[in-house]
Amino acid sequence: GDSVTQMEGPVTLSEEAFLTINCTYTATGYPSLFWYVQYPGEGLQLLLKATKADDKGSNKGFEATYRKETTSFHLEKGSVQVSDSAVYFCALMGQGGSEKLVFGKGTKLTVNP
Amino acid sequence: GAGVSQSPSNKVTEKGKDVELRCDPISGHTALYWYRQSLGQGLEFLIYFQGNSAPDKSGLPSDRFSAERTGGSVSTLTIQRTQQEDSAVYLCASSLRGSNQPQHFGDGTRLSIL
Repeated sequence: GDSVTQMEGPVTLSEEAFLTINCTYTATGYPSLFWYVQYPGEGLQLLLKATKADDKGSNKGFEATYRKETTSFHLEKGSVQVSDSAVYFCALMGQGGSEKLVFGKGTKLTVNP
Repeated sequence: GAGVSQSPSNKVTEKGKDVELRCDPISGHTALYWYRQSLGQGLEFLIYFQGNSAPDKSGLPSDRFSAERTGGSVSTLTIQRTQQEDSAVYLCASSLRGSNQPQHFGDGTRLSIL
C-alpha cells in the first residue's frame, strides 16, 4: 500500500539556520503530496501542497518540490524562526479511490534563539 | 467562519466502557474524515464519508469501532468496550470534494482509557 517515510527527529536548529526535512513516498500512479504542521497546543494545519510532478508548493517561507523521479517531497526553509518550532508531517493522497491522507510519522523541530 | 469542531476535547473513561466522540465539520464540506494520532502509530486513517456514498471504513482497527454521519453533517465515532490501546487523540477533518482539496482538521479529542 501507499506509505510515507520522513526523517526521524527531533531536529534542533538555531534561529536563521537552513532547514531540510526529508520525505519520500511509495504510491502507485501520481499522488498529491502535502506538508502539514502542528504547532504546540494547536491542531494540524496545511502548510503547503503539490499535486503533480515538478510542482513546487510554498507558504510562509517554506518550499517543497514534487520529485517523481526520486519519489520525494523534501521540506526546506532558508532561515528558520523560533515561531517555526512545531511538528511537521509529510502526507500523500493516492490517485483515485478514497481521498484519505497517508501520513509520515512526523518530525519535531525546535528552533532556539 | 467556524472551523471543524470536536467534542469533548478530553475524555477519560474506564476500560470496557463505550465512548462517543463528536465532530461538527465546516459548513458546506461534503467530505469528512476520522484519524487517530498515537505515540506508537503516528497518524492513522480510520474512516471517510463523502456525501451519500458508502463510507470507506478500511482504516477501522476492529469491529468495536463504528462511525455514522447524520444528514451529511455531524459525525459520531463510537468505540465499544474500550481497551487501553484505544488511548489516543482522535482527529476529525473535513473538506470540499476533490483530491486536491485541503483537509481542515479539528483540535481533536484526547481519549484516555484507565
